[in-house]
Amino acid sequence: EVQLQESGPGLVKPSQSLSLTCSVTGYSITSNYWGWIRKFPGNKMEWMGYISYSGSTSYNPSLKSRISITRDTSKNQFFLQLNSVTTEDTATYYCARFPPGAYWGQGVMVTVSS
Amino acid sequence: DVVLTQTPVSLSVTLGDQASISCRSSQSLEYSDGYTYLEWYLQKPGQSPQLLIYEVSNRFSGVPDRFIGSGSGTDFTLKISRVEPEDLGVYYCFQATHDPLTFGSGTKLEIK
Repeated sequence: EVQLQESGPGLVKPSQSLSLTCSVTGYSITSNYWGWIRKFPGNKMEWMGYISYSGSTSYNPSLKSRISITRDTSKNQFFLQLNSVTTEDTATYYCARFPPGAYWGQGVMVTVSS
Repeated sequence: DVVLTQTPVSLSVTLGDQASISCRSSQSLEYSDGYTYLEWYLQKPGQSPQLLIYEVSNRFSGVPDRFIGSGSGTDFTLKISRVEPEDLGVYYCFQATHDPLTFGSGTKLEIK
């Protein structure tokens, strides 16, 4: 069974970096595409970016200068780093496998606050 | 970016009735390979989004046949026949044809 699990700090200070890990079991991240998505307070969902089976990446242009997605295939994990965060980055962050988006993590709520 | 306009914003439905959600795209979602990468998700309270429909009309494994996706090009619809209590939550359409991938703004389904 494919399972994804996000982990990382729930509180980040403004101007610092947000770093999250997605640990995958039951499937190799060297297949398919692996994405990060966030849901803001309210209902807005935003696709942040993905890392492919080959390690190539694609980012939402709205985040392009601040985001980095990397991976460690030996641990079957992929990572999100978002730099220079502000309170507007407060959201629940999800990792998921695509396409299609059949498998998601349970999400991690991240608050940006001093 | 592709904008997905979902209507209505909210929907209050009597148990057993039908619900219909529209998703209109600012450009065609047909990819060069001939497939249309339009998906539908339901996010129940306190849960992660769950895939209902992929490639416009294919039900994901375990999804009841009460959920029917249709459409083409820029206009898509999700119909839920015989609404049940477990159908409440927020429904999203999502396109994976064009980068950046984008979500609709969501439709909240409530039970009367």
